[in-house]
Amino acid sequence: IAGITQAPTSQILAAGRRMTLRCTQDMRHNAMYWYRQDLGLGLRLIHYSNTAGTTGKGEVPDGYSVSRANTDDFPLTLASAVPSQTSVYFCASSSGTGSYNEQFFGPGTRLTVL
Amino acid sequence: GQNIDQPTEMTATEGAIVQINCTYQTSGFNGLFWYQQHAGEAPTFLSYNVLDGLEEKGRFSSFLSRSKGYSYLLLKELQMKDSASYLCAAMDSNYQLIWGAGTKLIIKP
Repeated sequence: IAGITQAPTSQILAAGRRMTLRCTQDMRHNAMYWYRQDLGLGLRLIHYSNTAGTTGKGEVPDGYSVSRANTDDFPLTLASAVPSQTSVYFCASSSGTGSYNEQFFGPGTRLTVL
Repeated sequence: GQNIDQPTEMTATEGAIVQINCTYQTSGFNGLFWYQQHAGEAPTFLSYNVLDGLEEKGRFSSFLSRSKGYSYLLLKELQMKDSASYLCAAMDSNYQLIWGAGTKLIIKP
């Protein structure tokens, strides 16, 4: 593995189902992030984690939960999917949380909720 | 509130120069990032400015004016592979990135 991987690449999901999007990084970065990207809108932060064992809410956290049991993994769970959660989801990481900390992005998961 | 504005779409000719503008309003400021995103791919980092002035990196340069809440990305000697969306993001006082919707740049031969 080099960088950040996400799984699955794409998924079609029935409304009401539970879904976990996986994210793994091998750069030993402390901070990790989940964004959603919708047409005509900027990337919106869902949840973040500044270091293993801690998480925080971003701009649009409702309907999503995260955990950070270790440095490498940061799964995003949709407890009961709704059509408005149809989006492209990007996981990102950065070495720290100070001012100059470039975020590295995974390839994304395209999720469709019907 | 926090807001980032950038043009939705721009068109330029191969070999030419294009300037993509971005204005921002954030609660506190800890720097301005530019990312490139090709269609169907992840964003990739281009530049970071925290002090006023111009930062040059090959064919790409980025400018920041903190007093005006303004930045631009300058792309020179445009190539077809530069066709992509360019995302402007400002870092607020909580070190969170506030993202613009992106500028889709179309390069014509």
